[in-house]
Amino acid sequence: DIQMTQSPSSLSASVGDRVTITCRAGQSIDTYLNWYQHKPGKAPKVLIHDASHLQSGVPSRFSGSGSGTDFTLTINSLQPEDFATYFCQQSYTTPRTFGQGTKVEMK
Amino acid sequence: QVQLQESGPGLVKPSETLSLTCTVSGGSISTYYWTWIRQPPGKGLEWLGDIYYTGVARLNPSLKSRVAISLDTSKNQFSLKLSSVTAADTAVYHCARDNGRYDFWGQGALVTVSS
Repeated sequence: DIQMTQSPSSLSASVGDRVTITCRAGQSIDTYLNWYQHKPGKAPKVLIHDASHLQSGVPSRFSGSGSGTDFTLTINSLQPEDFATYFCQQSYTTPRTFGQGTKVEMK
Repeated sequence: QVQLQESGPGLVKPSETLSLTCTVSGGSISTYYWTWIRQPPGKGLEWLGDIYYTGVARLNPSLKSRVAISLDTSKNQFSLKLSSVTAADTAVYHCARDNGRYDFWGQGALVTVSS
């Protein structure tokens, strides 16, 4: 299985901050990397697919970069609705695997 | 808009079989991969497996002997069966559509394994 390691596991930020979350794959996954936002009691929402492509309908303050083993999700100008848990997922091979999540909390 | 909804018992006894169904509305199940994912309390997400509209399933090897996924195109549903459950199988179970990414998800169904 491809291990996906996210960092940090949690962070505190304020509205307007720029937030960066990283995800590292245990082997190269090209750009087969997706990012999701998850709020309690709701279905996860895909933000970025294929490492850097913004999912339709997602605000442009979200962006992704990386290839191979190292990936980054950036949220520019954090908004109140962005406090949530974010996780990465590789779609390179099965079994699909996920990062353990990064909880973005209000400072 | 595609919507997915999980249904099934919320409580299962140890050693029994967990059964869940995902009903897809707003779109046909006759394309894409359809996936089951779970999240135990306080833990990360685990991919259980998926099934293509042709009926070919891919299962997580860590659970392969216990998990089965099937498809009913006439009802626009796909199902999960997990046998010989233990407390470690207590989790929120999600169904999702795989379009290269999980672009549509069900809300999730909490299944507790307890006697």
